[in-house]
Amino acid sequence: EVQLVQSGAEVKKPGESLKISCTGSGYSFITYWIGWVRQMPGKGLEWMGIIYPGDSDTRYSPSFQGQVTISADKSITTAYLQWSSLKASDTAMYYCARGLGGTLTTLPKSFDYWGQGTLVTVSS
Amino acid sequence: QSALTQPASVSGSPGQSITISCTGTSSDVGGYNYVSWYQQHPGKAPKVMIYEVNNRPSGISNRFSGSKSANTASLTISGLQAEDEADYYCSSYSGSSTLVFGGGTKLTVL
Repeated sequence: EVQLVQSGAEVKKPGESLKISCTGSGYSFITYWIGWVRQMPGKGLEWMGIIYPGDSDTRYSPSFQGQVTISADKSITTAYLQWSSLKASDTAMYYCARGLGGTLTTLPKSFDYWGQGTLVTVSS
Repeated sequence: QSALTQPASVSGSPGQSITISCTGTSSDVGGYNYVSWYQQHPGKAPKVMIYEVNNRPSGISNRFSGSKSANTASLTISGLQAEDEADYYCSSYSGSSTLVFGGGTKLTVL
């Protein structure tokens, strides 16, 4: 059974750093892209970026480039989303999702399996 | 890179059919056959219902169908059921290795 399990909810202060995780199981982790999606409170979905764990090829939405870092450790089948300095506006639910289709050189255009989400709250 | 445009809400009675539109540009929806639709119930993760404009993943009811004309994609749900009440999001490949989502549509089953 394919599963993506995300790390637990976080409460942080502005300016702090944070790294959340997404652990995949039940499939070949290194051959599927993993994407990250933000959902601010009461708002819609926003595509943040995506990584291919096999070679760590990473692409970012222009809206999130430079704001977050996406990485992966294939030895423990885990992808990460991290911030170096959080802002109150980073408060949101963050989902990881497995790419549907896609190969080493082509981006997936959809997501078939999703993690349960990680709620990040940034407040002073 | 702007979000795709969806109606904020649609509604229908059980058994009826509804259609949700998703309007983009020739740089995203109109330029590629890579439109997906996701269903999200409150407090839950999204679930893919349609990919590549009109393909249903295994296990998705054939009451859900997708189409596209020029820069607008559509999701049609036939034989509405109470369990279909949810938020629906479209997404499209937008070139340059990026994807973009729509703003979401709240479906109410009357």
